[in-house]
Amino acid sequence: NAGVTQTPKFQVLKTGQSMTLQCAQDMNHEYMSWYRQDPGMGLRLIHYSVGAGITDQGEVPNGYNVSRSTTEDFPLRLLSAAPSQTSVYFCASAGGFDNQPQHFGDGTRLSIL
Amino acid sequence: KQEVTQIPAALSVPEGENLVLNCSFTDSAIYNLQWFRQDPGKGLTSLLLIQSSQREQTSGRLNASLDKSSGRSTLYIAASQPGDSATYLCAVTGNTGKLIFGQGTTLQVKP
Repeated sequence: NAGVTQTPKFQVLKTGQSMTLQCAQDMNHEYMSWYRQDPGMGLRLIHYSVGAGITDQGEVPNGYNVSRSTTEDFPLRLLSAAPSQTSVYFCASAGGFDNQPQHFGDGTRLSIL
Repeated sequence: KQEVTQIPAALSVPEGENLVLNCSFTDSAIYNLQWFRQDPGKGLTSLLLIQSSQREQTSGRLNASLDKSSGRSTLYIAASQPGDSATYLCAVTGNTGKLIFGQGTTLQVKP
């Protein structure tokens, strides 16, 4: 079972570059979300989606865009990378948010120089 | 604004001990509380989910309790093993569906 798949696993960017972090799930989950994990800050919600065509902002959305054209995919776009966006990014999915556990990918480790 | 706190930040115990990890939250209007395990360099694995109407959940050597009125949850690990060494995170789902995490407790179980 693939579960939640994130690509790439590692990436180094220069300041000002743009890139897309990919996230795909094969569990037909409606709810998908993106988090960043930083030392001393824990996991913080960037953006989330409750279904195809519907997205909303989390705690730290600035500098990031998302779209949800299909149930399976939820890409995260960095528009103009900044050193402050150096972090580990996790994608998660769930069948719902009331009584369904969240399933996480293995993360993308991103460094901005 | 919901805030989630986990105490202690780190814990080291000898193998075989029973232990308790604590989680507190400031807003009792939650859908559920989840406990996760994170191994170094890996993603999060869901251990237990307690719905707001429930008081506890059990899975093997793990037991999680929820007291919504006091804003507290505990994760009890029985007969700890070196393989239990990891970071344990709790998170609450609020009425907007957003998951808010604590900063975790890093557990080391020594053989």
